Amino acid sequence: QSVLTQPPTASGTPGQRVAISCSGSSSNIGSKYVYWYRQFPGTAPKLLIHSTNQRPSGVPDRFSGSKSGTSASLAISGLRFEDEADYYCAAWDDNLTGWVFGGGTKLTVL
Amino acid sequence: EVRLVESGGGLVQPGGSLTLSCAASGFTFSSYWMHWVRQTPGKGLEWVSRINVDGSGTNYADSVKGRFTISRDNAKNTLYLQMSSLRDEDSAVYYCARLSWDDVWGQGTTVTVSS
Repeated sequence: QSVLTQPPTASGTPGQRVAISCSGSSSNIGSKYVYWYRQFPGTAPKLLIHSTNQRPSGVPDRFSGSKSGTSASLAISGLRFEDEADYYCAAWDDNLTGWVFGGGTKLTVL
Repeated sequence: EVRLVESGGGLVQPGGSLTLSCAASGFTFSSYWMHWVRQTPGKGLEWVSRINVDGSGTNYADSVKGRFTISRDNAKNTLYLQMSSLRDEDSAVYYCARLSWDDVWGQGTTVTVSS
């Protein structure tokens, strides 16, 4: 059972906009930055969003992050087949004194 | 090229010990906090531990506290994870990572705890 809660699956068709949610608590998302990672099968995760809504260099502006209260969201617009991957949210947790990850969301592009 | 390369994984019996290493190159290793993150096959990511830049401060997930020890040798640009009293549930791919706005992850090393 992950500290951060994500839907296990999400899907969309090419060109659509998809949002993946991440629910936490006041000790993590509610008071800390949120990070989003993307992982393709057999490879290491890679940062997609840092500091809740900032894109690292090289990440297209189709990807955006936001937060409201103790929930965060990753939005992907203009969905492409190559966006099929697992997506994870993460944040520091003050109560646990450690990083916590969501359980991951497998995105399928139909 | 910025790179992290893990080594030391393998098969170990329950109750046994293992030490993972992570060799860093292409960046100023001593300037970054470093982390270990693990992933069970087919499952999600679990943060394991982190260490500050000079090794004087560490944090651990509750699941490994008292059994795992993270350390670093800045002269050798190497991060370590000493694992003891290993359990079946510690079986996973272990990643060494620089969790910052410019993150870097290793390719992972597999630890299998089984009799």
